[in-house]
Amino acid sequence: DAGVTQSPTHLIKTRGQHVTLRCSPISGHKSVSWYQQVLGQGPQFIFQYYEKEERGRGNFPDRFSARQFPNYSSELNVNALLLGDSALYLCASSLDSGWETQYFGPGTRLLVL
Amino acid sequence: QQPVQSPQAVILREGEDAVINCSSSKALYSVHWYRQKHGEAPVFLMILLKGGEQKGHDKISASFNEKKQQSSLYLTASQLSYSGTYFCGTEIGGSEKLVFGKGTKLTVNP
Repeated sequence: DAGVTQSPTHLIKTRGQHVTLRCSPISGHKSVSWYQQVLGQGPQFIFQYYEKEERGRGNFPDRFSARQFPNYSSELNVNALLLGDSALYLCASSLDSGWETQYFGPGTRLLVL
Repeated sequence: QQPVQSPQAVILREGEDAVINCSSSKALYSVHWYRQKHGEAPVFLMILLKGGEQKGHDKISASFNEKKQQSSLYLTASQLSYSGTYFCGTEIGGSEKLVFGKGTKLTVNP
């Protein structure tokens, strides 16, 4: 079975631009969570979506938004990029809405110049 | 709300044991343990739930002290493949978010 997939794998943007990151969960998984991981730190929770509804949100500004589609895939959007948004963005999927076992994708590495 | 992990780093020889600790200032509903190797995604190891139920890896054990809001991960007879950074994630009751610590870097040498 395919694991969690994310696209693109790498991305370079300039300050002020907008970016869209994509995630496809494991087949049958209905929940997708997004995390930001800065080098040397643990993943920081951004959003959790379950059945297309936002179930949880971390301490991130409104420049960050996400959505989940009927096929359970998800997009993370970041507007007005700042240098500090440079990080590895991880997507994780799980079966249900609770904090069950999460399976992480390989991540998208974003560099903002 | 970020849990505190200790130690920050540990170096072992193959076959030695290690304990990684995770503590929180808030009442915890569950504790999750992940291992991340350099350049890779975190991989699930263990979930410990309030009430004592434990789910996870049969080669790694962990404890969860609800009263002290602490969890410990026990790695016995370490193997080279155990090398990586270990993160604990804590679910604070009712918060609907998972907060990870800064990680413990484990290096196992031959």
